[in-house]
Amino acid sequence: NAGVMQNPRHLVRRRGQEARLRCSPMKGHSHVYWYRQLPEEGLKFMVYLQKENIIDESGMPKERFSAEFPKEGPSILRIQQVVRGDSAAYFCASSQDGGVYGYTFGSGTRLTVV
Amino acid sequence: GQQVMQIPQYQHVQEGEDFTTYCNSSTTLSNIQWYKQRPGGHPVFLIQLVKSGEVKKQKRLTFQFGEAKKNSSLHITATQTTDVGTYFCAGLRAGGTSYGKLTFGQGTILTVHP
Repeated sequence: NAGVMQNPRHLVRRRGQEARLRCSPMKGHSHVYWYRQLPEEGLKFMVYLQKENIIDESGMPKERFSAEFPKEGPSILRIQQVVRGDSAAYFCASSQDGGVYGYTFGSGTRLTVV
Repeated sequence: GQQVMQIPQYQHVQEGEDFTTYCNSSTTLSNIQWYKQRPGGHPVFLIQLVKSGEVKKQKRLTFQFGEAKKNSSLHITATQTTDVGTYFCAGLRAGGTSYGKLTFGQGTILTVHP
């Protein structure tokens, strides 16, 4: 039973390029969450999605960032025109019950903007 | 919005000493969860607490949920080098419009000196 799969593990982008981060939730999980983490800092909530719906995007920057969880395929976090300040670890988590019994996290994507 | 504060931010201990981290929420929680993140790794679910005043144990780890369901603690007895990592609390808000969204504390980074 595969866990939460995130890819790529590491992503290097030049300033101004686009970054696409993918997340496949655990089998049977319909709730997906994206968090951002800077070194030695906490997990900052970005967005909460269910299939084809954005439930809460209160942590997403208004510009350049978007997320989707289509009916088929993985959830995608998209960052357009990346800047150095976007460099961080981006973690995806999933749950089957809205998080009541905990989240399962993926291994994360480490984004470096050069 | 909901805030979850965690202290201390850093804790250095000698192997064999005890360790405690504290978590306080600005709002009443339906449950509180604890996660551990090893250096370079991803957060891993440890436990959830649901009932007011609940205490749970996992070997050398003791978790408590406050009577008012707004604070929690994690205590590790006789730390070992394998306990190294960042410990996060995360709260699920009681009621609200975004049920299922965990708010994480900033984490406590534990270093254990052999």
